[in-house]
Amino acid sequence: EAGVAQSPRYKIIEKRQSVAFWCNPISGHATLYWYQQILGQGPKLLIQFQNNGVVDDSQLPKDRFSAERLKGVDSTLKIQPAKLEDSAVYLCASSRSPPGKGQPQHFGDGTRLSIL
Amino acid sequence: DAKTTQPPSMDCAEGRAANLPCNHSTISGNEYVYWYRQIHSQGPQYIIHGLKNNETNEMASLIITEDRKSSTLILPHATLRDTAVYYCIVTLNDYKLSFGAGTTVTVRA
Repeated sequence: EAGVAQSPRYKIIEKRQSVAFWCNPISGHATLYWYQQILGQGPKLLIQFQNNGVVDDSQLPKDRFSAERLKGVDSTLKIQPAKLEDSAVYLCASSRSPPGKGQPQHFGDGTRLSIL
Repeated sequence: DAKTTQPPSMDCAEGRAANLPCNHSTISGNEYVYWYRQIHSQGPQYIIHGLKNNETNEMASLIITEDRKSSTLILPHATLRDTAVYYCIVTLNDYKLSFGAGTTVTVRA
């Protein structure tokens, strides 16, 4: 099966600009996650969707970050305006079943964002 | 979710078994142990998970102690492509993956 697709692979912007990332999960996966991974650290969950509804966005900086998953398939993550500390790799993951059922998450290769 | 402790780094020889330890002394009875790895410039890759019993798949084996306070991931025949950061995660719900610093494993020829 095809894996989780993300684009773009790399993005360079200046601070205070806006940026958007796109994710296409594995076909049939109802649950979708966005993670932020700062250099040298493990990924940190930003938001989780179940179909097109938000399950957990407690770690999402809502003053500048937004995410949507229209029609319960593709998802976009937006940052507006970007700050220097947002430089990171943004990872998308998907899983087949709702939480608690022991299904693993499958990750894309991420978008590396650099803020100048 | 329970915390985990892993060594920051370890080396192993190509073709030999790699044994990666993980301590999770505060694990509760219904928390799973998950292992993921992350090869440079790629997203994390699921390896294996278990609750109480030992588990084996095509990638690795997971040995969980009887008291469940620690576990070991075994890569039976390490190759250069197994060089990666390995994360041991204990979680009640599979969506709450809290990644620590992991163990950087370097496989040497």
